[in-house]
Amino acid sequence: DADVTQTPRNRITKTGKRIMLECSQTKGHDRMYWYRQDPGLGLRLIYYSFDVKDINKGEISDGYSVSRQAQAKFSLSLESAIPNQTALYFCATTGGGTEAFFGQGTRLTVV
Amino acid sequence: GQNIDQPTEMTATEGAIVQINCTYQTSGFNGLFWYQQHAGEAPTFLSYNVLDGLEEKGRFSSFLSRSKGYSYLLLKELQMKDSASYLCAVREDNAGNMLTFGGGTRLMVKP
Repeated sequence: DADVTQTPRNRITKTGKRIMLECSQTKGHDRMYWYRQDPGLGLRLIYYSFDVKDINKGEISDGYSVSRQAQAKFSLSLESAIPNQTALYFCATTGGGTEAFFGQGTRLTVV
Repeated sequence: GQNIDQPTEMTATEGAIVQINCTYQTSGFNGLFWYQQHAGEAPTFLSYNVLDGLEEKGRFSSFLSRSKGYSYLLLKELQMKDSASYLCAVREDNAGNMLTFGGGTRLMVKP
């Protein structure tokens, strides 16, 4: 099983719809992150959480919200999806050590 | 905040050596990471530097100069499967140790 699992892997949704992307990890790490990647660009941080009661905005949080339901679960919501939120979304986790572990990504298309 | 710059694209020949540069401006530097990402897939960890010097790991090496805000990733004996994007990321200790990524360098290896 993967250390970091994202669901769904692919999703097409309509403008104005609310959508939730889910992430779970089996690493036992405290820190979890949501990144967005657009074609030809690097990863940009949306939100991050250092424990269950901690939520922080990243570089591009507008239009997004998150929920840290448990140490192992961190979900990202688009309250009212718009076409420019079409992107590849990655969840990641770190344990304060050297390496970040990424999920396989969720490809979201907003039409 | 920080600024991370790396070339957008590079092309090299199978069997050759290629060097991918990364420059950064940051406060509270706490490590530089290189990740490899094949199209549509999750980034995978390649290397980590926190002290000046060269870290070698098989065909891949990474160098860091903290005083110059500079790192490079060196790939030797290039193989076709090395065609991917290479992401430079910096960790800041005054930002909760989260990673900030550069835009990535897309490397194309030709026969």
